[in-house]
Amino acid sequence: NAGVMQNPRHLVRRRGQEARLRCSPMKGHSHVYWYRQLPEEGLKFMVYLQKENIIDESGMPKERFSAEFPKEGPSILRIQQVVRGDSAAYFCASSPRGTSGNNEQFFGPGTRLTVL
Amino acid sequence: GDSVTQMEGPVTLSEEAFLTINCTYTATGYPSLFWYVQYPGEGLQLLLKATKADDKGSNKGFEATYRKETTSFHLEKGSVQVSDSAVYFCALSDSDDYKLSFGAGTTVTVRA
Repeated sequence: NAGVMQNPRHLVRRRGQEARLRCSPMKGHSHVYWYRQLPEEGLKFMVYLQKENIIDESGMPKERFSAEFPKEGPSILRIQQVVRGDSAAYFCASSPRGTSGNNEQFFGPGTRLTVL
Repeated sequence: GDSVTQMEGPVTLSEEAFLTINCTYTATGYPSLFWYVQYPGEGLQLLLKATKADDKGSNKGFEATYRKETTSFHLEKGSVQVSDSAVYFCALSDSDDYKLSFGAGTTVTVRA
């Protein structure tokens, strides 16, 4: 059973461009979470999605960031008009169920975004 | 809000040395506590967890005890191997909450 897949692993963008990060959850998992790790900091929760629904986006910046998890295909984290402060590692995790922190989240290897 | 503070790295050890990584937390409720490990080029993997006070999580020779009185969850291993070289993250989630809060991570390098 393949683990959580993220691509690309490394992404370089110039200021003002768009960044699209993809996450394919583990087989059988319908809950996806995105986290961001800024340099020298811990991972911070951004958004929690189920198929076709955003459950909690309280950790997402209000502007330029959006996320989706369509019925078919991977979850996408989109960052429009990137700025240097968006440079970070973005991790995706998935779980078979959503609620309760006791439910293990399985993490992907992350996408490292560099904004020039 | 919830937060996790863990020992800064990097930490370099010789094989068979004793490893301790300190982790303390701040939470409003009764959180579950976790240690995750990230090997080079891979995603984070759950190493061990504890869900209530005085619980001890253990896996692969690593142990951590949930200490409510000191709000700590220190990771220990008695004899490390080169294969233990990785980044270790302490994390918590409040009860019934799917949001994990992580520490900044501690890079551990074990030399033969």
